[in-house]
Amino acid sequence: AQSVTQLDSQVPVFEEAPVELRCNYSSSVSVYLFWYVQYPNQGLQLLLKYLSGSTLVKGINGFEAEFNKSQTSFHLRKPSVHISDTAEYFCAVIDSGYALNFGKGTSLLVTP
Amino acid sequence: DGGITQSPKYLFRKEGQNVTLSCEQNLNHDAMYWYRQDPGQGLRLIYYSQIVNDFQKGDIAEGYSVSREKKESFPLTVTSAQKNPTAFYLCASSILPGSPLGEQFFGPGTRLTVL
Repeated sequence: AQSVTQLDSQVPVFEEAPVELRCNYSSSVSVYLFWYVQYPNQGLQLLLKYLSGSTLVKGINGFEAEFNKSQTSFHLRKPSVHISDTAEYFCAVIDSGYALNFGKGTSLLVTP
Repeated sequence: DGGITQSPKYLFRKEGQNVTLSCEQNLNHDAMYWYRQDPGQGLRLIYYSQIVNDFQKGDIAEGYSVSREKKESFPLTVTSAQKNPTAFYLCASSILPGSPLGEQFFGPGTRLTVL
């Protein structure tokens, strides 16, 4: 089964600073990767996804991620965060062609 | 607006009782999924269904049951056999089962607490 590992459980950052949330995946011939965001007591919303093609993927809310095959990574970045970006972020991979296999999540806390 | 609805938002259950969580979608999606979320553990797959009248167990199906009698509905029953049912439950759907092109859309979730 394909899996992902999110390397940081919590990331505190000041408003307007850059942020990187790290995700590594288990190596496979083909891999499809996703980043989701979850605001408190809500469902998940897709930020961006990598299926093929360009390794730099741009998503919503100013987020982007880079697929790095040699390092088996798919880190999420934002150049300048806002208070409203405070949320839980999940990296996920398609597992067995049917459902998503999620990482354990990274809690992003943005403070003034 | 199209989307996924889950009800109720909060649910309390006494030990030994079965409860059913509702999930409805009007996106005309074929595939539907149930996930369980616990703090610090991410989301784990309980059951999924690719088509009406068919469903498969996920990673943590013990103590749960589902049905898929209609395309738009995928209710989850938490039975008394589930040893630790207190959690946040999320339902999702996608247009193309088994395809990475089929982005999964999530409902707002149901928080179940066993008293």
